[in-house]
Amino acid sequence: DIQMTQSPSSLSASVGDRVTITCRASQTISSYLNWYQHKPGEAPKLLIYAASSLQGGVPSRFSGSGSGTDFTLTISSLQLEDFASYYCQQSYSTPWTFGQGTKVEIK
Amino acid sequence: QVQLQESGPGLAKPSETLSLTCTVSGGSLSGYYWSWIRQPPGKGLEWIAYIYYSGSTNYNPSLKSRVTISVDTSKNQFSLRLSSVTAADTAVYYCAGCRAVAGTPFDYWGQGTLVTVSS
Repeated sequence: DIQMTQSPSSLSASVGDRVTITCRASQTISSYLNWYQHKPGEAPKLLIYAASSLQGGVPSRFSGSGSGTDFTLTISSLQLEDFASYYCQQSYSTPWTFGQGTKVEIK
Repeated sequence: QVQLQESGPGLAKPSETLSLTCTVSGGSLSGYYWSWIRQPPGKGLEWIAYIYYSGSTNYNPSLKSRVTISVDTSKNQFSLRLSSVTAADTAVYYCAGCRAVAGTPFDYWGQGTLVTVSS
């Protein structure tokens, strides 16, 4: 299985801050890396697919980068509605696997 | 707009079989891999299995011996059965869909249903 390691596991930030979350794969996954936002009681929401492509309807403050084994999700200016958990997921090979998540909390 | 809704008992007894159904509305099952994904309390997301509308399947090896996924195209539903459950199977179970093309993400998700394994 491909292991996905996210960091940090949690962070505290203020509205307007720039936030960066990293995800590392245990082997190369090309650009088959996706990012999801998850709020309690809601369905996870796809933000970024193929490492850097913004899903339709997702604000442009979200961006993704990377390829191979190292990937980054950036929120350029954190908004109130962005306080949530974020997960990376590799779609390179089954079993598809997720990172352990990053909880973004209000400072 | 495609919507997914999980249904099934919220409680299962140890050693019994957990059964859940996902109803897909607003679209057809064709062209997508339909998956079950779970999240134990305080833990990350784990992909369980997927099924294609034709019935072809793919299972996570970690659960394969206990999992059966099936599809009912007449009802636009797919289902999960997980046998011999233990407390470790307590989780929020999500159904999700991704286009049946290599490398695509899960772009449709249900809201999830909590299943607790307890006597």
